[in-house]
Amino acid sequence: GAVVSQHPSWVICKSGTSVKIECRSLDFQATTMFWYRQFPKQSLMLMATSNEGSKATYEQGVEKDKFLINHASLTLSTLTVTSAHPEDSSFYICSARVAGDYNEQFFGPGTRLTVL
Amino acid sequence: AQSVAQPEDQVNVAEGNPLTVKCTYSVSGNPYLFWYVQYPNRGLQFLLKYITGDNLVKGSYGFEAEFNKSQTSFHLKKPSALVSDSALYFCAVRPQRGRGYQKVTFGTGTKLQVIP
Repeated sequence: GAVVSQHPSWVICKSGTSVKIECRSLDFQATTMFWYRQFPKQSLMLMATSNEGSKATYEQGVEKDKFLINHASLTLSTLTVTSAHPEDSSFYICSARVAGDYNEQFFGPGTRLTVL
Repeated sequence: AQSVAQPEDQVNVAEGNPLTVKCTYSVSGNPYLFWYVQYPNRGLQFLLKYITGDNLVKGSYGFEAEFNKSQTSFHLKKPSALVSDSALYFCAVRPQRGRGYQKVTFGTGTKLQVIP
């Protein structure tokens, strides 16, 4: 299947700093990318959907100024957590999908963010 | 709004026995249905999907799922469980058309524990 990578796989940062997470589709062009947040023992919470070259669509309750998403190319999307606080600590997962009505999403391995 | 229910937080099964992980869904119109598996601290891996046609869908690692429209269910099954199948399993649904057709909704996950 298609491969999606994320970098870094884990990051520890101080409160108030910003952290950028990269998501890349390695062997296909992803017209749509998704960012999820997963809390321990819970399901995935969709944060935003981004289409290449356009602004991301954020889910209700997700602060777009805090979670900046850029989908500059068909193979790269970035999530920047600005002015991170301990409550932003979580497991962030991206996924990518090729255009098409029923194509499944391919998920990255996730990034564990810990804010001290 | 679409939703997915996975009624069991955890399923325990002895190695070699058949396993079933339950999933029911609610969506407007016809659904696209998916199963994903997640190993600890990893992203989700695609197992199988239902789009149309045969109600019995076969996927990776010997898993299969049966689509039942009247019961709005999509239970995941495997004839003989392996210890390596122990993981967290997510069912997901997406409407084939209409509002929200791009958005995949995930269930809360079921932890499968295969006992040697």
